[in-house]
Amino acid sequence: EAQVTQNPRYLITVTGKKLTVTCSQNMNHEYMSWYRQDPGLGLRQIYYSMNVEVTDKGDVPEGYKVSRKEKRNFPLILESPSPNQTSLYFCASKGQGRAEAFFGQGTRLTVV
Amino acid sequence: TQLLEQSPQFLSIQEGENLTVYCNSSSVFSSLQWYRQEPGEGPVLLVTVVTGGEVKKLKRLTFQFGDARKDSSLHITAAQPGDTGLYLCAVSGAGSYQLTFGKGTKLSVIP
Repeated sequence: EAQVTQNPRYLITVTGKKLTVTCSQNMNHEYMSWYRQDPGLGLRQIYYSMNVEVTDKGDVPEGYKVSRKEKRNFPLILESPSPNQTSLYFCASKGQGRAEAFFGQGTRLTVV
Repeated sequence: TQLLEQSPQFLSIQEGENLTVYCNSSSVFSSLQWYRQEPGEGPVLLVTVVTGGEVKKLKRLTFQFGDARKDSSLHITAAQPGDTGLYLCAVSGAGSYQLTFGKGTKLSVIP
């Protein structure tokens, strides 16, 4: 089954404790991206990657890091999480030349 | 300034009613997508419209792309509680890589 898998689905952590949210896709898509979704602000892009070892900042990259060492994986790293990073996070992938994106089920992160 | 303006922001209707939601912009797009997001889930693609004036139907949902390819509408006939969710429009940036979303219309259909 074609899918984008994120883990964990839910995470509660404390300020400053490094964390990684994993994302994996099995569709051989070139393009992957991370979004955060907040009430009243909609989906905002954090980082995106056009292929292995190619990443770029989205609209709200501050406080986040990403890596793309393999085509299927695109982890999101928060080196020192802060409460303003409490949000619902989505990973998405898209094939080259295709318009539609496929989303993971989301990770609800709470930083206390 | 938001690239895509969606209206209304919230909509609560009774089962069986018809409704239309809108996605507007001052920019011209080569294509536009509509997604639906249910609580606790990621957005799922409903349709992609490409040609100005294009109309696509998906059961009780009718999607239209404006003639000038700057706006789109989604019309739902005889809404059902299962239609409840957040409806998002989105467009691709240059090179078809980046995807920009509107803030969405949150629809509640009351039985």
